[in-house]
Amino acid sequence: NAGVMQNPRHLVRRRGQEARLRCSPMKGHSHVYWYRQLPEEGLKFMVYLQKENIIDESGMPKERFSAEFPKEGPSILRIQQVVRGDSAAYFCASSSADEQYFGPGTRLTVT
Amino acid sequence: KNEVEQSPQNLTAQEGEFITINCSYSVGISALHWLQQHPGGGIVSLFMLSSGKKKHGRLIATINIQEKHSSLHITASHPRDSAVYICAVRIGSQGNLIFGKGTKLSVKP
Repeated sequence: NAGVMQNPRHLVRRRGQEARLRCSPMKGHSHVYWYRQLPEEGLKFMVYLQKENIIDESGMPKERFSAEFPKEGPSILRIQQVVRGDSAAYFCASSSADEQYFGPGTRLTVT
Repeated sequence: KNEVEQSPQNLTAQEGEFITINCSYSVGISALHWLQQHPGGGIVSLFMLSSGKKKHGRLIATINIQEKHSSLHITASHPRDSAVYICAVRIGSQGNLIFGKGTKLSVKP
């Protein structure tokens, strides 16, 4: 049973480009969480999704950020028109019940 | 004030020492997690607690729900234990986690 997969592991984008981060949850998990870790800061919740539904997006910036978890395929975190302040590590976690299992993260660098 | 506070922020120990990292929280929780993150690395879940005490190898985690406090202990510390240890709490049965800022542990040989 493979763990939580995230790709790409490293992503470099120029200011104004779009970034797409993918998260494949563990087999059998239907809950996905996205977290962001800014440089020298702690982890912060962004969004919680179940299949085809956004359950809680209270941590998502209001503009440029969106997330989806379609019926088939991975969850996608999309950042439009990236700015330098978006540079961070983005982690997803999946769960089926209580415990959350984390992916290896995607490190986004905006130049 | 953060909802989850950890202490100390930084900790340097000699190999073999007994280490304690503390976590206090100010909200009602359904579970508390201890996580480990190596530099530039991913996040590994060490423990999930809702009461009492859990042990895994040289790691022990305790929680006191009434006092809103948890501790992570490492016995016979080793340089490979060097990492950031993060306390996180969950509110609600399927809710997101709220994280402490982490404790950076360095174990010297």
